[in-house]
Amino acid sequence: KAGVTQTPRYLIKTRGQQVTLSCSPISGHRSVSWYQQTPGQGLQFLFEYFSETQRNKGNFPGRFSGRQFSNSRSEMNVSTLELGDSALYLCASSLYPGGSYNEQFFGPGTRLTVL
Amino acid sequence: QKEVEQNSGPLSVPEGAIASLNCTYSDRGSQSFFWYRQYSGKSPELIMSIYSNGDKEDGRFTAQLNKASQYVSLLIRDSQPSDSATYLCAVSNTDKLIFGTGTRLQVFP
Repeated sequence: KAGVTQTPRYLIKTRGQQVTLSCSPISGHRSVSWYQQTPGQGLQFLFEYFSETQRNKGNFPGRFSGRQFSNSRSEMNVSTLELGDSALYLCASSLYPGGSYNEQFFGPGTRLTVL
Repeated sequence: QKEVEQNSGPLSVPEGAIASLNCTYSDRGSQSFFWYRQYSGKSPELIMSIYSNGDKEDGRFTAQLNKASQYVSLLIRDSQPSDSATYLCAVSNTDKLIFGTGTRLQVFP
């Protein structure tokens, strides 16, 4: 069974630009969660999508948005990039939404560098 | 107080020893607990999940949960240099996973 895939793996952008990251979950998994990982803050929850609906959102500004398609693939978008957005962006897939009794499996991540 | 707390380490243990990694959490309503391993430059990999008080063993790994003390731990028996990584504790309520900042483990030959 194929794991979670994320594209692209690396991105370099400049301040003010926007970026779109893609995630394909494990086959049969319908929930996709997005996280930002930085050395200072660790893993921070961005949002979760299930059945094309955003179920939950972390404490990030509106510049961070996402969506999910009918095949469970998900994209996240960051507009008006800031230097502080440089991070590893991780997608995690799970069978069900929410955190309880629900194992999440991570993709390889997208390393975003904002110059 | 952070929601999920871990000692950042590094925790250094000799090869063959038992490594003990600890995690405390603040939300008494937390229901599910997970340990992830993250090698440098890689993404987190799920190694254990535990939902009930007590011990859960899987190979060289044992997860221990004590909800009354709001404490979860991971024991790694017969530690190997390949176990050197950062171990992330994650705790969930109904909504989402909350991660600790991780403990860096170093296993030296």
